[in-house]
Amino acid sequence: GAVVSQHPSWVICKSGTSVKIECRSLDFQATTMFWYRQFPKQSLMLMATSNEGSKATYEQGVEKDKFLINHASLTLSTLTVTSAHPEDSSFYICSALQGATYEQYFGPGTRLTVT
Amino acid sequence: AQSVTQLGSHVSVSEGALVLLRCNYSSSVPPYLFWYVQYPNQGLQLLLKYTTGATLVKGINGFEAEFKKSETSFHLTKPSAHMSDAAEYFCAVSVYGTASKLTFGTGTRLQVTL
Repeated sequence: GAVVSQHPSWVICKSGTSVKIECRSLDFQATTMFWYRQFPKQSLMLMATSNEGSKATYEQGVEKDKFLINHASLTLSTLTVTSAHPEDSSFYICSALQGATYEQYFGPGTRLTVT
Repeated sequence: AQSVTQLGSHVSVSEGALVLLRCNYSSSVPPYLFWYVQYPNQGLQLLLKYTTGATLVKGINGFEAEFKKSETSFHLTKPSAHMSDAAEYFCAVSVYGTASKLTFGTGTRLQVTL
């Protein structure tokens, strides 16, 4: 149990375009999901906390208008990278908070490459 | 604010040898501490966690960690390494449990050799 999926697993897009990444909790409901960014050989940095039915809370230094987060249902949160640039290339990982155990379960990640 | 320092970005051990991955934390309040493992191109899997109570925590795959408040440490150990243990390991701290944001260390890549 407690499986989190991400789609797509990898995506290549051209500079200036937007790309949407989905995070789904497959077998539990998650009122809270988290979005992390991981640069090569570096740690995970929290970008934002996504709460179902309300606006996301962004960490300091993260551009809200560039990284749009929508948590429309208890099993789905999306991260849209708008007007992507090569420096946005990274590994994006989501996690979902399971209410019963109060544990974060992580998705497998999405590798974004902007050319 | 809290922070985590992992000493050694890369650790190499022989199969069957002791695994020791170091983690020191900084927190102004009693911390919740975690160890996660990440295999290539995958998300993170929880190995073990310390919340309150017993300071020696046992996790999955034979790993354990000991919370030492006086040393502000939470080192991860495994008595005998296996080839399948080769992965990236992250120590993380949270002030209010996993419900709040996790602050991760920079990670330690464990290599297991024959």
